[in-house]
Amino acid sequence: AQKITQTQPGMFVQEKEAVTLDCTYDTSDQSYGLFWYKQPSSGEMIFLIYQGSYDEQNATEGRYSLNFQKARKSANLVISASQLGDSAMYFCAMREGGSNYQLIWGAGTKLIIKP
Amino acid sequence: GAVVSQHPSRVICKSGTSVKIECRSLDFQATTMFWYRQFPKQSLMLMATSNEGSKATYEQGVEKDKFLINHASLTLSTLTVTSAHPEDSSFYICSARIFDTQYFGPGTRLTVL
Repeated sequence: AQKITQTQPGMFVQEKEAVTLDCTYDTSDQSYGLFWYKQPSSGEMIFLIYQGSYDEQNATEGRYSLNFQKARKSANLVISASQLGDSAMYFCAMREGGSNYQLIWGAGTKLIIKP
Repeated sequence: GAVVSQHPSRVICKSGTSVKIECRSLDFQATTMFWYRQFPKQSLMLMATSNEGSKATYEQGVEKDKFLINHASLTLSTLTVTSAHPEDSSFYICSARIFDTQYFGPGTRLTVL
């Protein structure tokens, strides 16, 4: 069955350090998409980055990059030069092909950036 | 970027009343909108998928008569919680899809007294 696993319930990182948030997925589909969202304490879900299963290059968006390792079924989010404003919940999600674009969600990782 | 608004952001109501939540895509047309519920410290739980001009598809366990969804246009979907009870208190968040990506509204915190 399709599944998203985020094994880190919480992380503390020193400001300006890079941080990697883990995400592994399970699917039998060849076509799928992987997403990362940020949810600050205000509650809004902010789209960060997307990786398609056929994309050969790792996706990057500013300080965010997605370390996509297809054989290992992992899609880790890397945040470079972390900032205090990066403190939030981070969710990994997956869309399978033909799923009416519904997302399967991980449990989330609470990231706290220390000054 | 794609902007989704959601109103109201916060509502407190008495038990037995109905509450309507609006979700609008402001700068794009969304064929599909989604409604989620989120309990504290948990991930999102999909309630229903809404396609413009057709009936919403509800997830198993979601009462369609309690949570009425209308998707009247490509930019507006509404969720009405009918005869709300304290157990309906929660954070409700909508999203609108463009291509592969869902963009979310800021959410509505519903408190039923």
